[in-house]
Amino acid sequence: DAKTTQPPSMDCAEGRAANLPCNHSTISGNEYVYWYRQIHSQGPQYIIHGLKNNETNEMASLIITEDRKSSTLILPHATLRDTAVYYCIVIVTGTASKLTFGTGTRLQVTL
Amino acid sequence: KAGVTQTPRYLIKTRGQQVTLSCSPISGHRSVSWYQQTPGQGLQFLFEYFSETQRNKGNFPGRFSGRQFSNSRSEMNVSTLELGDSALYLCASSLSVNQPQHFGDGTRLSIL
Repeated sequence: DAKTTQPPSMDCAEGRAANLPCNHSTISGNEYVYWYRQIHSQGPQYIIHGLKNNETNEMASLIITEDRKSSTLILPHATLRDTAVYYCIVIVTGTASKLTFGTGTRLQVTL
Repeated sequence: KAGVTQTPRYLIKTRGQQVTLSCSPISGHRSVSWYQQTPGQGLQFLFEYFSETQRNKGNFPGRFSGRQFSNSRSEMNVSTLELGDSALYLCASSLSVNQPQHFGDGTRLSIL
């Protein structure tokens, strides 16, 4: 699976959009970009995934660049409950049940 | 819809003992995976089951084993516990092997 690079930490003011970047420059054509987050003392939570088109759900939007070498997770109106570690991972088709997380981005949402 | 349920939430054991952890997947989910999470090693894949069959296994010793029942519920067992087995053990389920996984809140196992 392709390696991903994320900033170790980010801050965001409550009510503002949180834009979390991820680089995956060695991604292959059959690899999906997945985002999970983990709030302290809880299990990881699935957020969103995509292959090459931008995706949106009730939690977030995923913007994937045209060359697929990077992506951005957008939380449109961050709240204190969005404070968590966010993991960007790249998964080959058929291996979504065998995950490996890197160190992720620790997002701190502040008042 | 109820999420993935893991029991117990916390467990304390001593070296040499064995332990069984339980996972009830989301209703209708047939794929169940187990992971070990520690501060030093991060999230490590243990094994995956689908329709009662182990499909994949991570790089863990034979002391770690698991099984899945016909109702998709799963258990994992660790025998001859070592201090290094102290970790958060997470279970995740999905509709199929190509669908996103949904995690439980884990069992925190402490070995004394």
